[in-house]
Amino acid sequence: GAVVSQHPSWVICKSGTSVKIECRSLDFQATTMFWYRQFPKQSLMLMATSNEGSKATYEQGVEKDKFLINHASLTLSTLTVTSAHPEDSSFYICSGKIDYGYTFGSGTRLTVV
Amino acid sequence: ELKVEQNPLFLSMQEGKNYTIYCNYSTTSDRLYWYRQDPGKSLESLFVLLSNGAVKQEGRLMASLDTKARLSTLHITAAVHDLSATYFCAVANNNDMRFGAGTRLTVKP
Repeated sequence: GAVVSQHPSWVICKSGTSVKIECRSLDFQATTMFWYRQFPKQSLMLMATSNEGSKATYEQGVEKDKFLINHASLTLSTLTVTSAHPEDSSFYICSGKIDYGYTFGSGTRLTVV
Repeated sequence: ELKVEQNPLFLSMQEGKNYTIYCNYSTTSDRLYWYRQDPGKSLESLFVLLSNGAVKQEGRLMASLDTKARLSTLHITAAVHDLSATYFCAVANNNDMRFGAGTRLTVKP
């Protein structure tokens, strides 16, 4: 089946540094990739929708200059958290749209210290 | 705006009992999904419901969809400990998918 490979699975970074999260579609072409953030014991909140070759669409309240999304190819989308702060610590999950559903990456747990 | 309401948020069950999780949504939808999430893990797809009256079953879980009432249910039959997890419904309309708040299910011996 369609698989999205997400890396890294966890990362610890210092406050003020940037972190890049990659999501690769392994056996399908992901024209659309969704990026979610999940705080502990909460639901998934959509951050942005990225389409290959165009600018991402960000949800209200998500800073596009802080969460940079690049979707330059049909198999790779990246999320860069710039100048990370402790409040950015969360579980980030990407999702690629497939025929009648979505396939999710394994998630990245970001801890900013 | 597409909104999804899920209840209950917390559910503690004894093994062998039955229960139902409810998912209401606010606008016409193309598809409804049920997912399972174990602690520290990503989402595992359980069911995709595409049309009114759709019913799908897998093991002790059965999902149904009533598009007129904008309601989906996830029924748990004779719960076992292995079903302990958080269950999310999600509703999609075109490219917009929204998640319910999740139901944290704990099955006790």
